[in-house]
Amino acid sequence: EIVLTQSPGTLSLSPGERATLSCRASQSVSSSQLAWYQQKPGQAPRLLIYDASTRATGIPDRFSGSGSGTDFSLTISRLEPEDFAVYYCQQYGTSRQTFGQGTKVEIK
Amino acid sequence: ELQLVESGGGLVQPGGSLRLSCAVSGFTFSRYWMDWVRQDPGKGLVWVSRINSDGSSTSYADSVKGRFTISRDNAKNTLYLQMNSLRDEDTAVYYCATSPISDYWGQGTLVTVSS
Repeated sequence: EIVLTQSPGTLSLSPGERATLSCRASQSVSSSQLAWYQQKPGQAPRLLIYDASTRATGIPDRFSGSGSGTDFSLTISRLEPEDFAVYYCQQYGTSRQTFGQGTKVEIK
Repeated sequence: ELQLVESGGGLVQPGGSLRLSCAVSGFTFSRYWMDWVRQDPGKGLVWVSRINSDGSSTSYADSVKGRFTISRDNAKNTLYLQMNSLRDEDTAVYYCATSPISDYWGQGTLVTVSS
C-alpha cells in the first residue's frame, strides 16, 4: 500500500497569500496518478486536480498541481475566502487507492 | 441533474450488518467504476472498496476485506455495500464516488456502530 504523507498539517494564512501544500508518497506513484480534493465542513470532497496537474472542470486557475514520482504539491496562488478548507491528496495508481491525512488551510 | 444519493446508514450493534445503497442519476452509471470511501467523524478520508463498470472485479481495503461486499445493479443504476460483522471502528460517514478519479460524490450516509 502506498502511504501518502501531507505537510504541513495546518497552514495559517491570510486571504491573498500563496499556499503551497505537499504530498509525499512512500513509493513512486504510477503515471503521476495523483489527485487533490478540497473538503469543507459538512460537505463531500470536491475534485480539484487529477493526473497530478490537470485541473478538474470548473476549477479556478489559481489552483495548480505539480510533481511526479514521490513528491507532489498543490499551490493556491492567491487565497480567496472560500479556499479555507481541508485538502487531501489521493493516489489511484494501484488497485488500492489511498488518501493523505489532509492539510487544513485556516485563516490567520 | 447529476446525483448520487446514499441510503441505508444508521445505528447498529457490534457484530451486526447493514446494506448501503447509492442511487445514481444524470450520468451513464454502467460506464463508471465506483468506490466507497469513508470518513470517521472529524477525521480524514479512507478508501474502502472499488468495483469495475460491469461488476466483475472488486477490491477492498485490508480493514474490511472478508466483511464487506461491494456490488452493483447497472439496470437499477445502483451501487451497494453489504457490511457484515461490523465493529466500533467502522463508524463513519460512507460516501459513494466515481472511480478512480472521484469527480462525482454522494452526500454521505452515517453508519454508527455502538452497543
